[in-house]
Amino acid sequence: ETGVTQTPRHLVMGMTNKKSLKCEQHLGHNAMYWYKQSAKKPLELMFVYNFKEQTENNSVPSRFSPECPNSSHLFLHLHTLQPEDSALYLCASSQEREGHNEQFFGPGTRLTVL
Amino acid sequence: GQNIDQPTEMTATEGAIVQINCTYQTSGFNGLFWYQQHAGEAPTFLSYNVLDGLEEKGRFSSFLSRSKGYSYLLLKELQMKDSASYLCAVVDSNYQLIWGAGTKLIIKP
Repeated sequence: ETGVTQTPRHLVMGMTNKKSLKCEQHLGHNAMYWYKQSAKKPLELMFVYNFKEQTENNSVPSRFSPECPNSSHLFLHLHTLQPEDSALYLCASSQEREGHNEQFFGPGTRLTVL
Repeated sequence: GQNIDQPTEMTATEGAIVQINCTYQTSGFNGLFWYQQHAGEAPTFLSYNVLDGLEEKGRFSSFLSRSKGYSYLLLKELQMKDSASYLCAVVDSNYQLIWGAGTKLIIKP
């Protein structure tokens, strides 16, 4: 247990569906992240929220829409996804500061787009 | 561009020692992390190096040479449970984490 939970753990959706991924951190951190992890590729940073404000959006397609209602919760809303979006989506949190900025990860949501 | 290189896969024998290398070219350097990720699980923190030298933590050690843009993770007395992917990540000048693709370590009896 890392103190970061994600639901659902597995999700299968069609290209016309709308679904949401949820992340919750119980560590009192002030920053939260969404990553995409594809096989044999580096972790791809998608979004960063710092004190509930989005500070990073790495050219992610608009079919991915993040929401951060408070410093403990983070959502990723999905709509009209493509098969190439199938991947493991990881949420992480950290206490944002210069230097040792260890990130704590959730177990991920394994997403399959049909 | 920024780049982190580590081997895709390595195989080692239970009880042996293995060294996983990581080389990096980044815009600035503010530290290097090693994470372990078992299949289907979250990455978990192993080590952080910001100064040159060796950091030892039980069976695991991590080494850094900033002048060479190089780090390694050393695992001793390998156990079957060490079978996992090992991710190298560098903190760049903007304090963003740049990730390698990970090294899948297979331990054989």
